[in-house]
Amino acid sequence: DAGVTQSPTHLIKTRGQQVTLRCSPKSGHDTVSWYQQALGQGPQFIFQYYEEEERQRGNFPDRFSGHQFPNYSSELNVNALLLGDSALYLCASSFKSGGVWEETQYFGPGTRLLVL
Amino acid sequence: AQTVTQSQPEMSVQEAETVTLSCTYDTSESDYYLFWYKQPPSRQMILVIRQEAYKQQNATENRFSVNFQKAAKSFSLKISDSQLGDAAMYFCAYRSSPGDYGGSQGNLIFGKGTKLSVKP
Repeated sequence: DAGVTQSPTHLIKTRGQQVTLRCSPKSGHDTVSWYQQALGQGPQFIFQYYEEEERQRGNFPDRFSGHQFPNYSSELNVNALLLGDSALYLCASSFKSGGVWEETQYFGPGTRLLVL
Repeated sequence: AQTVTQSQPEMSVQEAETVTLSCTYDTSESDYYLFWYKQPPSRQMILVIRQEAYKQQNATENRFSVNFQKAAKSFSLKISDSQLGDAAMYFCAYRSSPGDYGGSQGNLIFGKGTKLSVKP
């Protein structure tokens, strides 16, 4: 049973560039959440996608956008990169069944983004 | 807004001994979930244990158990018979009870983590 996968594992960009990170949820999962984890900190919630719509958003600027595809995979896009965007970006998946959300979010290995 | 506090940035334990990691949280909600996640150097966040607030019985998973004190808003993790592979960052996390928050599951709110070292 494949877990949550993310690509790429590492990425180096320069200020002002744009980046796209990808996530495939765990088999059977339909909900994807994205988190940003700065060095030495706990993850911070960016947004969550379900049924191809952004359902909830954390305190992140509009430079952070996303998409969910019909196969439930998701992309995180960050425009006009800043040095402060350097972080580990984590994707987590879950599912909704019978109108009830599953309790746990399962995480992928993350993408380490370095902005120079 | 809910907050999660882990007051121990670092902890150390001898192999085969027991260690307890602390977590407190603040919320006005009565129903919610609490989690402990482990993040080894490989970066993958792994679920260790979860607790539903409406359940009074403390959750256990093999060598891992929690002490959930709802009134005190405390959720500590006890690791028994510590092993070298337990060395990692441990994060406490809170999530509101699933409901229809505009059709969202709700997000996890994390503490800053506790770095656990295990000495052979």
